[in-house]
Amino acid sequence: AQSVTQLGSHVSVSEGALVLLRCNYSSSVPPYLFWYVQYPNQGLQLLLKYTSAATLVKGINGFEAEFKKSETSFHLTKPSAHMSDAAEYFCAVSDNTRTASKLTFGTGTRLQVTL
Amino acid sequence: KAGVTQTPRYLIKTRGQQVTLSCSPISGHRSVSWYQQTPGQGLQFLFEYFSETQRNKGNFPGRFSGRQFSNSRSEMNVSTLELGDSALYLCASSLRTSGGLNTGELFFGEGSRLTVL
Repeated sequence: AQSVTQLGSHVSVSEGALVLLRCNYSSSVPPYLFWYVQYPNQGLQLLLKYTSAATLVKGINGFEAEFKKSETSFHLTKPSAHMSDAAEYFCAVSDNTRTASKLTFGTGTRLQVTL
Repeated sequence: KAGVTQTPRYLIKTRGQQVTLSCSPISGHRSVSWYQQTPGQGLQFLFEYFSETQRNKGNFPGRFSGRQFSNSRSEMNVSTLELGDSALYLCASSLRTSGGLNTGELFFGEGSRLTVL
């Protein structure tokens, strides 16, 4: 069974600082990996996805993530945090595109951005 | 292009009642999936519908059911409500090719927040 582990339920950074949100996955087959963001009282929005093409994936709003098979990781980064980045971030995994609607989500990391 | 629309946004029910939630996908999206979000269990997959057929199912009891109509709109139903069913229910739509492959990107609605008293 697939799973993802997000290290740190809360992360706080200063505006302009590097954002690093950690995600490790477990999958018996090559995974498809996703990062979603959820703003208060809203649904989830896809930030980026990895589907076995380039290992460095660029997403929206300046976010990117690197797939590292040797470390089973897919950490999300942004060079410079903005106040508008404050939200909850979810890492998710699926096994292939036929079941890509069946995502297994991590427990989420709430990002706080301070002045 | 209109996004995924879920109705109602908020509702309150009592134990034992049943509830029906509705989801209208993005135009052209034929796959609709449902997720339950709670503080304790996080985001959990309920089921997915494509071409009016359930294609995937999560580990939920039979009280949770769904259906999809020919226009791709979907409904989910929860019968005999329990306190633990209080949650945000999220619907997501996605493109599926005629061969059944999914593009891997889900577009979520804002959810229906159910409170069971």
